[in-house]
Amino acid sequence: DAGITQSPRYKITETGRQVTLMCHQTWSHSYMFWYRQDLGHGLRLIYYSAAADITDKGEVPDGYVVSRSKTENFPLTLESATRSQTSVYFCASSDRDLPQHFGDGTRLSIL
Amino acid sequence: QKEVEQNSGPLSVPEGAIASLNCTYSDRGSQSFFWYRQYSGKSPELIMFIYSNGDKEDGRFTAQLNKASQYVSLLIRDSQPSDSATYLCAVNGGPDSSYKLIFGSGTRLLVRP
Repeated sequence: DAGITQSPRYKITETGRQVTLMCHQTWSHSYMFWYRQDLGHGLRLIYYSAAADITDKGEVPDGYVVSRSKTENFPLTLESATRSQTSVYFCASSDRDLPQHFGDGTRLSIL
Repeated sequence: QKEVEQNSGPLSVPEGAIASLNCTYSDRGSQSFFWYRQYSGKSPELIMFIYSNGDKEDGRFTAQLNKASQYVSLLIRDSQPSDSATYLCAVNGGPDSSYKLIFGSGTRLLVRP
């Protein structure tokens, strides 16, 4: 089925570990986005990508790394996880000027 | 800093009433406006989008846009308990970054049976 899928749905890890969250879309959308959602802050943009091999920082990029070697995949890596990165992470995709559609999210807890 | 402001609520309405959700935005260059619904523990789901001044209707939902006042609203007619959720207003980042969205923190709607 066409859509956008995130994995894992839930993840518990420890501070200092590297964690990678996966995002895959089947719409062939040009744009992909990573958000985090925390109580009191709403959705905040971490990184986005306009096409394969083109990525740029959003509002809260520190501590995160992204790559986009293929149009359909946009993984997000926490190189050395910290407790402040405990959050719900959403991936979204869209074509220019069209609405973004979201994946189901990854709930990440860092102990 | 571009901002989107929403009252956090909760907005409580009885079943069958009209729920009115409001949103203001700071960037006059914004051209696209979106309403997402988010149930607790779920991802945001697109309900409506509007690009032009005026009203846009889709079933029980009406989006209203007033660019001069930098104001966008969502009306839900005949509210149902299943409409109880958080509603996120999102605005695009203006002509230089039209593909990026800025989200408000959301308004929690509670529809009482």
